[in-house]
Amino acid sequence: GAGVSQSPRYKVAKRGQDVALRCDPISGHVSLFWYQQALGQGPEFLTYFQNEAQLDKSGLPSDRFFAERPEGSVSTLKIQRTQQEDSAVYLCASSFSRTGSNRPQHFGDGTRLSIL
Amino acid sequence: QQQVKQSPQSLIVQKGGISIINCAYENTAFDYFPWYQQFPGKGPALLIAIRPDVSEKKEGRFTISFNKSAKQFSLHIMDSQPGDSATYFCAALIEGSARQLTFGSGTQLTVLP
Repeated sequence: GAGVSQSPRYKVAKRGQDVALRCDPISGHVSLFWYQQALGQGPEFLTYFQNEAQLDKSGLPSDRFFAERPEGSVSTLKIQRTQQEDSAVYLCASSFSRTGSNRPQHFGDGTRLSIL
Repeated sequence: QQQVKQSPQSLIVQKGGISIINCAYENTAFDYFPWYQQFPGKGPALLIAIRPDVSEKKEGRFTISFNKSAKQFSLHIMDSQPGDSATYFCAALIEGSARQLTFGSGTQLTVLP
């Protein structure tokens, strides 16, 4: 596709349920990032993939958060046993980057997660 | 630890005026400073970016001013238009190392017609 695609756009879950958020990056983009954006705040880094390798997961807030990108394209962010503090917009970004260089990160429109 | 501090939190400007948003950073290893524009319900979109080897970069009505010694940079929007009303985020990144963006807390800009 032309841009980063995220689904679903909105997700409502009850506290304690598991959720899965999908990101379809721009074709050919090597790097993929997940960010969490709380209401009225800037995005905060969660995790980073280069192809299928998860090179940095230092931003994941707890072991309830898990991300994967098994074939180096589509990525899924999974949150287990959701808590109310998990309510936020989850943004995915991708870039065409190689080691040692930087290319602009292109963001999707996010998934707004609400935990009741 | 808030590594990028952004001000003001909100800004109201008349059409045709100049909008100025300021950011300050702490980590001197940062070497790439983009600005993002975000409309409600949309993801952030790259507006303009600068590296610390230059003090100013201009693209159309948007200008970044960079002060390396003060560890500050700012976005100037000239001839502000109602369509510029959005939330603006400054960010910083270390090229070649950590690749994640560190964002400021955002400035909600309203341009009155």
